[in-house]
Amino acid sequence: GDSVTQMEGPVTLSEEAFLTINCTYTATGYPSLFWYVQYPGEGLQLLLKATKADDKGSNKGFEATYRKETTSFHLEKGSVQVSDSAVYFCALNPNSGNTPLVFGKGTRLSVIA
Amino acid sequence: GAGVSQSPSNKVTEKGKDVELRCDPISGHTALYWYRQSLGQGLEFLIYFQGNSAPDKSGLPSDRFSAERTGGSVSTLTIQRTQQEDSAVYLCASSYLGAQNTEAFFGQGTRLTVV
Repeated sequence: GDSVTQMEGPVTLSEEAFLTINCTYTATGYPSLFWYVQYPGEGLQLLLKATKADDKGSNKGFEATYRKETTSFHLEKGSVQVSDSAVYFCALNPNSGNTPLVFGKGTRLSVIA
Repeated sequence: GAGVSQSPSNKVTEKGKDVELRCDPISGHTALYWYRQSLGQGLEFLIYFQGNSAPDKSGLPSDRFSAERTGGSVSTLTIQRTQQEDSAVYLCASSYLGAQNTEAFFGQGTRLTVV
């Protein structure tokens, strides 16, 4: 079945460092891809999404490009802030009939000043 | 309401008691999900409802767990004879799967503590 694999954390970075969180997927159809973020003590919220190959999703300085050739959707940010400390989840919507969204296990990011 | 609503936000129960957790999805959303998130862990899929189809119960960890969705809207997750390992945050999400590319919207969760 469809699946999402993302790099295990925790990831600890200094403020203003470059961030990459890897995400790869397996899907039989044409999924759409998402990154969700969970700030401490809060629920999950959508960070960005991409619906087809080569699309780039972006929000709050974060970017991810839907790469069909490598089945990847890596999350990047050029300069992280302490306020970016959170858990990040990669997810896909299989877009095929009666199948649920699939989530990765999450990557915890800690940014230190 | 504007978002997914879960109640209660916190629940402390004694081991062996039954609990019911409620989820009120976004109006018109056809799909509803329950997940469990233990301390410091990722999302554990529990159950998925989509329209009038039979629910996908493949993630329920034991027969003590059950869920129903009445009238295609509100859902209740029931845990019978609670155990300490059931302590976690239970998250509900909804989405409209009638359209392509839709994302799921999450509630704030119910934090369950079994003592």
